[in-house]
Amino acid sequence: SQKIEQNSEALNIQEGKTATLTCNYTNYSPAYLQWYRQDPGRGPVFLLLIRENEKEKRKERLKVTFDTTLKQSLFHITASQPADSATYLCAPRNSGNTPLVFGKGTRLSVIA
Amino acid sequence: GAGVSQTPSNKVTEKGKYVELRCDPISGHTALYWYRQSLGQGPEFLIYFQGTGAADDSGLPNDRFFAVRPEGSVSTLKIQRTERGDSAVYLCASSLLAGETQYFGPGTRLLVL
Repeated sequence: SQKIEQNSEALNIQEGKTATLTCNYTNYSPAYLQWYRQDPGRGPVFLLLIRENEKEKRKERLKVTFDTTLKQSLFHITASQPADSATYLCAPRNSGNTPLVFGKGTRLSVIA
Repeated sequence: GAGVSQTPSNKVTEKGKYVELRCDPISGHTALYWYRQSLGQGPEFLIYFQGTGAADDSGLPNDRFFAVRPEGSVSTLKIQRTERGDSAVYLCASSLLAGETQYFGPGTRLLVL
């Protein structure tokens, strides 16, 4: 069965450091992979989408990589700030017509 | 509207009762999705509408769950004979077209006592 694993339930890092979150998937051949941010009491917010033919995507302090051989995506936040504290969810997707399937998420805490 | 809205924001009910959860998508969005999120888990897909019709209802856990979108805009998720295990946050999302970026509402927190 399809499985999505995000590296850890919680990750604590010091302000200014780079946070790296991992998303591994099995029994998927995703055409693309999305990353979302979720704050307590709110719905997820879309951050970035990376396609299978893209190795890396950047948006401001965010960087996502996608390795279809390793079946893994890495999500980096550089120069992290306390405001980056949230849960980050990955969602590999086989095609636009298939449902979004999310990992459990990683709860990031950036400590000042 | 500016974003996806969901009502009520919180709902407490007793086991066995019937509940309705409402979702107002972003105006003009043709696709609408319902998810359920339990504590410590990611959102779990329930059903998706393209226009008025349910394009994929494979995530509905059983026949106590039903959803409608009669005019292709507002959607209602209906749960009959609620059980304690139905307690979760029910999230709604919409997208301009199927497969495009989904925008989520704040969710309805359902507690079944």
